[in-house]
Amino acid sequence: NAGVTQTPKFQVLKTGQSMTLQCAQDMNHNSMYWYRQDPGMGLRLIYYSASEGTTDKGEVPNGYNVSRLNKREFSLRLESAAPSQTSVYFCASSEAGDYGYTFGSGTRLTVV
Amino acid sequence: GDSVTQMEGPVTLSEEAFLTINCTYTATGYPSLFWYVQYPGEGLQLLLKATKADDKGSNKGFEATYRKETTSFHLEKGSVQVSDSAVYFCALTPGSGGSNYKLTFGKGTLLTVNP
Repeated sequence: NAGVTQTPKFQVLKTGQSMTLQCAQDMNHNSMYWYRQDPGMGLRLIYYSASEGTTDKGEVPNGYNVSRLNKREFSLRLESAAPSQTSVYFCASSEAGDYGYTFGSGTRLTVV
Repeated sequence: GDSVTQMEGPVTLSEEAFLTINCTYTATGYPSLFWYVQYPGEGLQLLLKATKADDKGSNKGFEATYRKETTSFHLEKGSVQVSDSAVYFCALTPGSGGSNYKLTFGKGTLLTVNP
């Protein structure tokens, strides 16, 4: 019953450092997504992967890269963190059809 | 492009009050519509959905009806509880079929229910 698992839950980075946010789902979903949530901005799509082996940019991709490692895992990488990337990051997955998304519990990232 | 507009909060109600959170959308074709809820410190959870005009989604006492003529999907609950305090997001996916199921979210509405 794990659903979507994100690691880590909290992270503090210094400006210029790099890190990778991990996401794994156990529901055999084809599609996976990375969103960031900022106050007053709602959720904005960073990158998504419609199926294993494909990735596409979302609304706010600058400063990020992604890897769809296999059907279960979809990672988000910050190569050189900036204070503007301070946010809460959510991973989600979905199956074809109108079933909605399943979200992870989020990673709270602070860049100082 | 597709967009979702929902009423700005915060909304503060007393327990047992009636709740309405307005949501309107702009989309081509026939989108599917969703309400998600985010409790403090947690991720988003699907609350209810509707996939075609005049469908009513319902869950946990919440309801929303897909109104194509007014492009709306307002969330209602007859009697709120303190435990309903959360952020509510209206969202849509395109109805064009294929593999495009990207969700477009509104900005969220914070609901606080006082005892």
